[in-house]
Amino acid sequence: TQLLEQSPQFLSIQEGENLTVYCNSSSVFSSLQWYRQEPGEGPVLLVTVVTGGEVKKLKRLTFQFGDARKDSSLHITAAQPGDTGLYLCAGAQPDRGSTLGRLYFGRGTQLTVWP
Amino acid sequence: EPEVTQTPSHQVTQMGQEVILRCVPISNHLYFYWYRQILGQKVEFLVSFYNNEISEKSEIFDDQFSVERPDGSNFTLKIRSTKLEDSAMYFCASSRLTQPQHFGDGTRLSIL
Repeated sequence: TQLLEQSPQFLSIQEGENLTVYCNSSSVFSSLQWYRQEPGEGPVLLVTVVTGGEVKKLKRLTFQFGDARKDSSLHITAAQPGDTGLYLCAGAQPDRGSTLGRLYFGRGTQLTVWP
Repeated sequence: EPEVTQTPSHQVTQMGQEVILRCVPISNHLYFYWYRQILGQKVEFLVSFYNNEISEKSEIFDDQFSVERPDGSNFTLKIRSTKLEDSAMYFCASSRLTQPQHFGDGTRLSIL
């Protein structure tokens, strides 16, 4: 079983604070995607990381893929109320190429940013 | 930006009835997927579909489930005889060969 553990499960912070969300596994993934999900909607893709050690920035969001491709982190700088949502990590199987095949999802981190 | 669209947004069905969930993937995508999310639980893979056949299916995707691409645009998930435990959000996703999966907004299936 390809298990992705996300932490923390819930995060409640004030506007302007920084935060980091973690996604860990004992399995190697060929790629890892981060999604954000709003209530009643589907997951919306934020970023894909493919190479071990890769860092990608999306405005105030910084994503990192671990060197061994078993873990990833999402760091948000100066969080805003608009960042509120459920953040999901999802890993793709290593034997299917970069992003083909089933995704294994973490349980998600529910982030609430208060004004 | 192209989107994956799913209909209906909410389906209420009596236990034992058949239900068909519909999806229109992004037009130039070649790989199609169904996932489900039971309330409060993880998003779980059901099945992937490529070149008019199932590529992979999970242990959840038993004989009660089937998928079809009846024409060039639609991708459907059929549950033949629904059970209470089939109540969940069902998400369709699609991707190109080397691009990540893009998800629709889901169909909420409620089995009474």
